[in-house]
Amino acid sequence: KNEVEQSPQNLTAQEGEFITINCSYSVGISALHWLQQHPGGGIVSLFMLSSGKKKHGRLIATINIQEKHSSLHITASHPRDSAVYICGNTDKLIFGTGTRLQVFP
Amino acid sequence: GAGVSQSPSNKVTEKGKDVELRCDPISGHTALYWYRQSLGQGLEFLIYFQGNSAPDKSGLPSDRFSAERTGGSVSTLTIQRTQQEDSAVYLCASSLAGGLYTGELFFGEGSRLTVL
Repeated sequence: KNEVEQSPQNLTAQEGEFITINCSYSVGISALHWLQQHPGGGIVSLFMLSSGKKKHGRLIATINIQEKHSSLHITASHPRDSAVYICGNTDKLIFGTGTRLQVFP
Repeated sequence: GAGVSQSPSNKVTEKGKDVELRCDPISGHTALYWYRQSLGQGLEFLIYFQGNSAPDKSGLPSDRFSAERTGGSVSTLTIQRTQQEDSAVYLCASSLAGGLYTGELFFGEGSRLTVL
């Protein structure tokens, strides 16, 4: 059983929509990563956070350590946001299987 | 270089042969990680190096897999007697520090291994 679970596994959206991707983990952690992987492309680190909220452009990541839950939000989504979004914890170096997002114009 | 460099980018080998995959992390990064990503699957942790500490090998799938990191910099992942199920993209990442607060992770482009 993967200790990091993401939902949904697949997500489609129309350009401009607000998107939320969820990440839950079963053991306590100190900090969590959000990564982005474009089709056929490399992996880019989006956020590492241990509490509260971080924002970068249209991306917002939140984490609740007590509830063992994190969310990644994308505001005003765009087709170039289409990618796989992966969360994982820093303590045990375990990542979820990712959420595949497709944004259509 | 500016980023994490991996070589070869593609490797096709025959079942039973040994392969070596190389990772050159960002200069100054003390933590180095190897992951494997099979087609359509998530990132599978293999091994983690942090400075001069003993590596965390808990993710290595079998004793055919080994890795070393020389001089705290370049790392080599070796797969002996390759099997078809070893076919995957092998990804290396580095970060400024390891442990509980790794900081930003920087990934290489990966080495795609195909075992025929």
